[in-house]
Amino acid sequence: QLQLQESGPGLVKPSETLSLTCTVSGGSISSSSYYWGWIRQPPGKGLEWIGSIYYSGSTYYNPSLKSRVTISVDTSKNQFSLKLSSVTAADTAVYYCARHLRAAPRDAFDIWGQGTMVTVSS
Amino acid sequence: DIQMTQSPSSVSASVGDRVTITCRASQGISSWLAWYQQKPGKAPKLLIYAASSLQSGVPSRFSGSGSGTDFTLTISSLQPEDFATYYCQQANSFPRTFGQGTRLEIK
Repeated sequence: QLQLQESGPGLVKPSETLSLTCTVSGGSISSSSYYWGWIRQPPGKGLEWIGSIYYSGSTYYNPSLKSRVTISVDTSKNQFSLKLSSVTAADTAVYYCARHLRAAPRDAFDIWGQGTMVTVSS
Repeated sequence: DIQMTQSPSSVSASVGDRVTITCRASQGISSWLAWYQQKPGKAPKLLIYAASSLQSGVPSRFSGSGSGTDFTLTISSLQPEDFATYYCQQANSFPRTFGQGTRLEIK
């Protein structure tokens, strides 16, 4: 069955760039009807959608983060990635990658990675 | 952005109880609504999409209803494994937004 796995540094210094990769296994990232998304959750708080990407490279970003976020896809590796620049302590969170189903009337994040904790600290 | 507001923020209930959680959107979203369950230290799990469609593998004691701005998630008979935090999420427009969560605790 399809699985997603996040990877990347667990500690990032303030003002630097957070970089995470999500590896998709058990299926193709190039499937139609699916985008691939990033969602984060600060400790003890709720969920915030960061952005989603289609295998063609088409992206949607949260305007609150858009100036700092880049999401990219590598179909040859069945991976997609997140870069968040100029991080501060407010970016400390568990970062999840998820499959973003978009096939009307179905539109939801239906498969999630386990999440990876990223702490911003010097 | 569309704001999603859940109520209550927390609720205590017993095994076997019927529980209803409400989600209100700041503007009409038709039936573009999903519900998720999250247990501590785990990723969210999709329960309901399109406001009332049960995701494959989710027990039938979970049900969703509503359209427009007002939605509900109902658990007909609480089981021990249902104690968790529940989130609604609108899928009508970008940016996708989530409710603040409802924590379901054991009474």
